[in-house]
Order: sequence, then C-alpha cells, then structure tokens
Amino acid sequence: DQQVKQNSPSLSVQEGRISILNCDYTNSMFDYFLWYKKYPAEGPTFLISISSIKDKNEDGRFTVFLNKSAKHLSLHIVPSQPGDSAVYFCAASAVPGANNLFFGTGTRLTVIP
Amino acid sequence: EAGVAQSPRYKIIEKRQSVAFWCNPISGHATLYWYQQILGQGPKLLIQFQNNGVVDDSQLPKDRFSAERLKGVDSTLKIQPAKLEDSAVYLCASSLDVQRQGPLDEQFFGPGTRLTVL
Repeated sequence: DQQVKQNSPSLSVQEGRISILNCDYTNSMFDYFLWYKKYPAEGPTFLISISSIKDKNEDGRFTVFLNKSAKHLSLHIVPSQPGDSAVYFCAASAVPGANNLFFGTGTRLTVIP
Repeated sequence: EAGVAQSPRYKIIEKRQSVAFWCNPISGHATLYWYQQILGQGPKLLIQFQNNGVVDDSQLPKDRFSAERLKGVDSTLKIQPAKLEDSAVYLCASSLDVQRQGPLDEQFFGPGTRLTVL
C-alpha cells in the first residue's frame, strides 16, 4: 500500500523557469514531510522539510508547500538550473522522533539548458 | 566529515545463493537504517537500529533477511537464500540520535549496493 505517491515519474523544464514537483499522501497521521534529491549512483540527500503545523517553508531557490486538507505537498524550484537535474523523492513521517520515513516513487527532473 | 560507507557497490548472484552487505555509518551516529529500493520505487525501510538494538524491523522478511549491528557501529545485512525479487539497491543511512534531535533526525544515506539476482 503506497502511502506516499508521486504521480509524475518525470518532468522537463527549461533552465531559469520554475519546476513544480507534486506529492500526495493518504495517511492523515503523517506530520512531517521531506524532500530528498538523488543523483545516479549516489544515495538520496536531504533537501528541505516541512512540519504539519506550517503550510510553507523556503530555503533559497527551494520552497515546499503543504496543503493538509488535500493531503498534498509540492516542491517549487525557481529558477531551475541544469544541476537540479536529478530524481526527487517525497517522504513522510508519522511519529516525530521515530524517523520511520515513507517514500514516494520519485520524479525525475530534467532541466534543459 | 566522512559519509556513510557501503560495500560492495555491486553484486550479482544466482537465486538461492547467499549475500551480505556492509555499512559503516557516520562516526558518532547512533541510529542506523537499512532500506530496500526496487527499480521504479522509493526506498522502503527494512530495519532501524538505535546503537546495537533494533527499533523497527516490521518490514524485514525475517525468513530470509537478517541484520546485525556490531558494537553499535558497523552493520551487516544478509539475505539467505536470495530470490529474484530481492534484486534492488540496498541503502544504508545513519542519523545522529533519534531521541536527541527533533522533530526529525536527518538521515544521511550511503551510495547503496546494487544487487542483481539471476
């Protein structure tokens, strides 16, 4: 049972434009959400997170939005750069401090120069 | 600071054979995780250690998978016997201390071991 879903397996964006990656979840007990970025032959690296008490968190070019009523979150990258090309995973946790992460299937972002 | 180390990076075996993976977490990290990532899917947690004790192994197929964390540092994950569906990347991650950090303890991932079962 996939509790975290990323319905777009791939996304292509022109350099300088905005990239929007989407994620949906089904478990209403999730209260912390994270985005990881993964390059080929490397492990995922943490990018940005958001607690369920917030609806937005921003870090430089990266912003994560959370819509709890819709059980939906999105990652905005602006402006997109070629080095952002990677697979992005959405992850969620139900218990603060327990660190059990449930990952989505990933979206491959390609930023075209 | 050295990252999470894993070996081997690649392994090809035949079904019903045994295989073992090794992980060395970041120094000082109390919590260690093993994930399985099947092609086209996200990582799935297999087992989580806090020091040398198991915190969560609810998704570990215990009939064929086993894991241990020696002296609360290095860890090995073993599959015996392997099945075709075990073909995946096995990721090890570590975090500083689930109890001490909050609300969520950042996990640092190793490069993974790609297992192919023929």
